[in-house]
Parts: sequence; structure tokens; C-alpha cells
Amino acid sequence: GAVVSQHPSWVICKSGTSVKIECRSLDFQATTMFWYRQFPKQSLMLMATSNEGSKATYEQGVEKDKFLINHASLTLSTLTVTSAHPEDSSFYICSASPLPSSQSDTQYFGPGTRLTVL
Amino acid sequence: GNSVTQMEGPVTLSEEAFLTINCTYTATGYPSLFWYVQYPGEGLQLLLKATKADDKGSNKGFEATYRKETTSFHLEKGSVQVSDSAVYFCALSPFSGGYNKLIFGAGTRLAVHP
Repeated sequence: GAVVSQHPSWVICKSGTSVKIECRSLDFQATTMFWYRQFPKQSLMLMATSNEGSKATYEQGVEKDKFLINHASLTLSTLTVTSAHPEDSSFYICSASPLPSSQSDTQYFGPGTRLTVL
Repeated sequence: GNSVTQMEGPVTLSEEAFLTINCTYTATGYPSLFWYVQYPGEGLQLLLKATKADDKGSNKGFEATYRKETTSFHLEKGSVQVSDSAVYFCALSPFSGGYNKLIFGAGTRLAVHP
């Protein structure tokens, strides 16, 4: 149980285009979803936290207009990288929790999406 | 601020060897501490956790003890297997008993050879 999927697993796009990454909880309802970014040989950095039906909370330094997060249902959250540039190339990882962030430290992670912007 | 430092890899061991992966942290207050494991092609999975000082987390033969005096949470296993080959992440949550956000170390790759 507690499986989280991401789609696509990897994507290559041209500079200036937008890319959407999906994160789904397959066998539970995700009250809270998280988006992380990981650079090679570096830590996962939390980008934003989203609760179903409300606006995402972005971490300091993350451009909310560039990284659009939508959590429209209890099983799906999307991250859209708008007007992507080569510096946005990275590994994006989502995680999901069945409980609100104030009640649980349990997160289930997706396998990640590799984005390469040419 | 809050941060996690773990030993750089890769760590290469023979099967049945003893494993230690060091992790130290900096935090205000009393964080919860975690070890996550990422097997090839899969998402991070919680391996073990400890929520207060002197707690020992354990799972699948792995152990880690929350040491407040040394701000450490070292991961150990007495006899590793080839199937333990993965990337291990140490992490902290700044607020014990409830989640605020997870702060990760850089990860340590473990390779176990037969």
C-alpha cells in the first residue's frame, strides 16, 4: 500500500516551453502533497506544500509564478514549470501524506521526474 | 538554522560487512529524525525514525539512535546484504510530534558486493 506515482518519469523540452508533471496517490487519499527538487549529489529541497482544495505554500526563494502547483483532488497534484529554462533542469520528486501536515510526519514518495531543458 | 550533514559516498562493502553511515544535524528545539532509503528506480521509503533523545529506531536489521549530546543519528547494520544496495538519506523534521517540513542530507550511496 501507500504507492505514489509520477508521470512522466523523464521529459526533455525546449527552452521557453511549459512542462506539467503529475503526482498521484494510487491507494490512499492524499490530504497533503509536497514537491521537492534535487540537484545532482545534493539534498532534496522542499519547494512547496499543497493541501487539497487550497493554494500551495511555497518555500522561501521558490517562484510561485514559475512553479505552478495544483492539488485539485485527493489523489492528484500537478507541478507545471512555466517558460522553462536550462537552469530548471533537475530531478523533481513529489510525496504525499494521508493526513494534514500538522498531524503527521509520514510521507510517501514518488519515484521522481527528470526534467531536461534544452 | 536547521540542517543535516551525512557522510559522502559511495560506500562500498562486501556482503556481511558492518555498515555505519554517519549523520549529524543542526536544529533548534527538538526535531524528529529519520532515515529514508531509495532503491534503484523507486521512490524514497521511510526506513526508521526516532522522535526524542535516546530513542532507537530500527527496521530490517538497521538501527539508529537519537543522540542529542552529539547531535547525531548514525545508521548501522551488523551484516549487509547485496539487496541493501541503495541511496540512504538522513532527514529531520523540526517539530517533533507533527510535521512541518523534512530537511534532507545529501544522501549516501551504498554498494554491497557478493
